[in-house]
Amino acid sequence: DQQVKQNSPSLSVQEGRISILNCDYTNSMFDYFLWYKKYPAEGPTFLISISSIKDKNEDGRFTVFLNKSAKHLSLHIVPSQPGDSAVYFCAAPVAGYALNFGKGTSLLVTP
Amino acid sequence: GAGVSQSPRYKVAKRGQDVALRCDPISGHVSLFWYQQALGQGPEFLTYFQNEAQLDKSGLPSDRFFAERPEGSVSTLKIQRTQQEDSAVYLCASSLDSSGNTIYFGEGSWLTVV
Repeated sequence: DQQVKQNSPSLSVQEGRISILNCDYTNSMFDYFLWYKKYPAEGPTFLISISSIKDKNEDGRFTVFLNKSAKHLSLHIVPSQPGDSAVYFCAAPVAGYALNFGKGTSLLVTP
Repeated sequence: GAGVSQSPRYKVAKRGQDVALRCDPISGHVSLFWYQQALGQGPEFLTYFQNEAQLDKSGLPSDRFFAERPEGSVSTLKIQRTQQEDSAVYLCASSLDSSGNTIYFGEGSWLTVV
């Protein structure tokens, strides 16, 4: 049962422009969301998170927005850099510890 | 080492063979998780340990999968009588506390069953 959905398998953006990665969820009990970044042949690394009591969290070039009524969150990367090219996973903890991941969006930032 | 270490990094097993995948978590981390990532999918939760206690094994796909963490540090995921559908990356992760809010993943063990 896919409770976290990333409907765009891939995204291509020019260097310097904004990258917007989207994530939808079905479980209204989710109260915390995380974004992970994964390079080939490496494990996912934590990028940024947001609690459901907030609607925005910013960390440098990365901002996550949460729209609880729409059960939607998005990750904005501004400005995008070639080193940002990776697969990005949206995730939410179930029972406080088991992360429920989306299928990921592969971001390619071109020079 | 500073991070979560997994071995072997790559394993090719013949169908029916047993395999064992090892995870060395970050020193002092209480929680340890195993995830399975099939090609083109996100990681899927398999099992969770708090110290040596296996508190949740609800994600293990069948009774051919077994995990242990006898001394509360190193963990082993064992797959008996491997089948082709077991081909995936097996990711181990650890966390300082019992929450899953910030966990650190290893590089994964890539299993191919032929």
